[in-house]
This record gives sequence, structure tokens and C-alpha cells, in this order.
Amino acid sequence: GAVVSQHPSRVICKSGTSVKIECRSLDFQATTMFWYRQFPKQSLMLMATSNEGSKATYEQGVEKDKFLINHASLTLSTLTVTSAHPEDSSFYICSARDLTQAEAFFGQGTRLTVV
Amino acid sequence: DAKTTQPPSMDCAEGRAANLPCNHSTISGNEYVYWYRQIHSQGPQYIIHGLKNNETNEMASLIITEDRKSSTLILPHATLRDTAVYYCIVRVRGSNYKLTFGKGTLLTVNP
Repeated sequence: GAVVSQHPSRVICKSGTSVKIECRSLDFQATTMFWYRQFPKQSLMLMATSNEGSKATYEQGVEKDKFLINHASLTLSTLTVTSAHPEDSSFYICSARDLTQAEAFFGQGTRLTVV
Repeated sequence: DAKTTQPPSMDCAEGRAANLPCNHSTISGNEYVYWYRQIHSQGPQYIIHGLKNNETNEMASLIITEDRKSSTLILPHATLRDTAVYYCIVRVRGSNYKLTFGKGTLLTVNP
């Protein structure tokens, strides 16, 4: 299957700082990518849909000014957590749609810890 | 997308078949059944999908009832590495691929 790569896999940052997470589709072009968040012992919750060349679409309750999404190319989407706080500590996962296949593929996830 | 219901947990002996059920009684005619799994601290992995016919690939088999109101994912020879949370998701194929995850089934494969 197609490969989606996330970087970094783990990050620890201080409260008040910003953290950028990258999501790359390595062997296909992705016009649409998705960002999910998963808290411990909970399921994945969709945060936003990232569209290449246009603004992201955020799910209800997700602050667009706090979680900045940029999808500047067909192979790269970034999620920036601005002014991070301990409650933003979570597992962030991206997925990308391969137009040639029927399913979406997921990155390996990024464990964010805000101290 | 139609809602799905899965048991919260299941156990299986290594080497035996693991049969994971999923109820999707409100599924509509153009909705597919997708299965993903998530091994601890990793991103979800696609397993298989189907519309109404049974499907098989190198990972698993998917059995969908004739009325399409339920399905079963079968891992024919479970290994310890198959321990994961398995998600059954119903969605329209060809839509924007936004997936709504339920709580899934935690499958524990025991030695």
C-alpha cells in the first residue's frame, strides 16, 4: 500500500511554544489529507481536512487559530500547534487519500507532550 | 455514514482464527464496510473493505451477511502481532475519505 510518513514521531515542548508536525505522502500525490487526534484510551477524533492549495476545513470544536494547517504541495501537509499547553498533549495522526486506490493511508503518528 | 457496533474486547489463541463481528444495521446501499486496525502507539492500518460480496486478501477475509446488516472480519491464523484495536467503519466509497472511528474491538492474541 501507499506510504504516509509523519515527522517527528515524538516531540516534547514547553508550554507556550509552537510545534510543527509534518505529514508526507511518499509515493503518491494527495490532494486531501486528514488530521486526527487521539487521547489515551480513546478513539481517533478527526480534527480537520487539509486540501492542497486551499484552506483547511475544521471539525466543530477545533480551534483553527490554534491548530494551523498548511497543505502547500500535493505531498506535504503540516499541522502547527500554536501556544501549546499541557492539555494539547496527545497522539496526532495524519492520513492521506490516494486517488488511485479505494482507501486512505495513515502516518505512524506523532506523540506530543507539552510540559 | 452509518453507525457500527463492535464488542469492546475479544481474546484469541495464537494460531487460531480470530473472528471479529460488526453490526451496521443502518447501512445504506452505497456504503462500504471498511476495516482498519491500530497497533498500540501506531497509526491505523488498512485491512480490507467490501460492499456485499465476501472479500479476501493477504491479511484477512471479510464476510458480509446477505442483508448487509453485519459483517465479520476473519484473521485465519492469528499471531501475537495481530494484537490491536480493530475498527469497523461504514462509509460511502468515493467520498472524501473522512473516516469516523468508533471505539473498535481490542483483540488480544494469547500465546
